[in-house]
Amino acid sequence: GEDVEQSLFLSVREGDSSVINCTYTDSSSTYLYWYKQEPGAGLQLLTYIFSNMDMKQDQRLTVLLNKKDKHLSLRIADTQTGDSAIYFCAEDNYGQNFVFGPGTRLSVLP
Amino acid sequence: EAGVTQSPTHLIKTRGQQATLRCSPISGHTSVYWYQQALGLGLQFLLWYDEGEERNRGNFPPRFSGRQFPNYSSELNVNALELEDSALYLCASSLEDMGRRGDYGYTFGSGTRLTVV
Repeated sequence: GEDVEQSLFLSVREGDSSVINCTYTDSSSTYLYWYKQEPGAGLQLLTYIFSNMDMKQDQRLTVLLNKKDKHLSLRIADTQTGDSAIYFCAEDNYGQNFVFGPGTRLSVLP
Repeated sequence: EAGVTQSPTHLIKTRGQQATLRCSPISGHTSVYWYQQALGLGLQFLLWYDEGEERNRGNFPPRFSGRQFPNYSSELNVNALELEDSALYLCASSLEDMGRRGDYGYTFGSGTRLTVV
C-alpha cells in the first residue's frame, strides 16, 4: 500500500533555513501537500506541488519534488519561533483519501 | 466563512461505552474525512463520506462507524471503547470535484480529543 515517510525531529536556530524531507511510494499521486499542525490545533494546508513540477516557491517556503526518487522536501527560509510545529507531507491515494507521513516536529531554538 | 467545526472538543468515556463525535464541513463542501491521530502514530485514515455515502474506509474494526447527513455534516461513532481508542480525531472537508486540486486539499477542523479511561 501507499506509504509516506519523514524524519521525526528537526531542530534549527532562529534565522537559519529548515529543510524537512519526505519520501512517498505512490507514483500516480497528482498533488503532494505540506500541512502544519500547531499544538492543540488541526492541520493547516501550507502549500502543495503538482506532480509535473520540480519546484514551487511561496514566500519563505520552497517545495522541491524529485519524482524519480519519490522525494519531496519543504524548505523554510529565515525560520522563526512561530514556525515551531509538526509538519506533515501527504499524497493522494488514487483520488480516494490523503495518506499522511508521521510528521516532523520542528523545534526552533532562539 | 466558518471553517470545519467539530464537537465536542474534549470527550472522556469509560472503556466499553460508546462515543459520538460530530463534524460540520465548510459550506458547500460535500466530502467529509475522518482521521485518527493517536500519540506517536501520525494520522490514520478512518472514513470518507461524500453525498451521504461511505466512499472509502481505512483499516479499522467495524465498531468504528459513521454517517453523513443531507446537510453534509457527519458523525463518527465508536462502540465498545477501548483504551487504545484514546486519540485526537480530526475531521476534514473538501469539494469532491476539486478536492484533488492543490488549491484546496483538505480543510481540517481542530479535532475532538477522546480519552478512554
